[in-house]
Amino acid sequence: EPEVTQTPSHQVTQMGQEVILRCVPISNHLYFYWYRQILGQKVEFLVSFYNNEISEKSEIFDDQFSVERPDGSNFTLKIRSTKLEDSAMYFCASSEETGPGYTFGSGTRLTVV
Amino acid sequence: EDKVVQSPLSLVVHEGDTVTLNCSYEVTNFRSLLWYKQEKKAPTFLFMLTSSGIEKKSGRLSSILDKKELFSILNITATQTGDSAIYLCAVEAPRGGSEKLVFGKGTKLTVNP
Repeated sequence: EPEVTQTPSHQVTQMGQEVILRCVPISNHLYFYWYRQILGQKVEFLVSFYNNEISEKSEIFDDQFSVERPDGSNFTLKIRSTKLEDSAMYFCASSEETGPGYTFGSGTRLTVV
Repeated sequence: EDKVVQSPLSLVVHEGDTVTLNCSYEVTNFRSLLWYKQEKKAPTFLFMLTSSGIEKKSGRLSSILDKKELFSILNITATQTGDSAIYLCAVEAPRGGSEKLVFGKGTKLTVNP
């Protein structure tokens, strides 16, 4: 069964450092998403990406965040200068244009120390 | 602001019990309601509901949507320890071409032997 692949599974970084979280969505999917889940809290939408541009972003997705699809298969989330509160599980997801539902990746646990 | 509320937040039952998980929502542009099961990492898709009154069923799990009263329930009959997980309700609330999901906080189900 096709799956969304995320790397790394766990990343520890120092506050102020830049991190890049990587995702390989399902190949025929057209919509791509990043969500995050702070420990013990709900899954929160960060950004959606379609046709090589951001289609929607939440208030969380400020200037420290950026997304890119550099080569037609990878989809990356960059956090420029990490803060302690960026520690969370980050999920990538992709969907076909008409759904149904998403396929989530297994997540990257980001720990900022 | 789009909102999804799940109840209860936590539930502990014994194997063989039947449970009902609740999800209510307030969104401006409803397309569908989805249920996910989250064990260790990525949420895995259970059901997508778009029409009122039509029960979706998969084994011991079933779900139904009421678009007039803006809620859905997820039933699990004859629970097993393997059903222990967080059950997430999410509403697809598209805006500007994005198929963003709005998640509830989840219901943590613990099934004891």
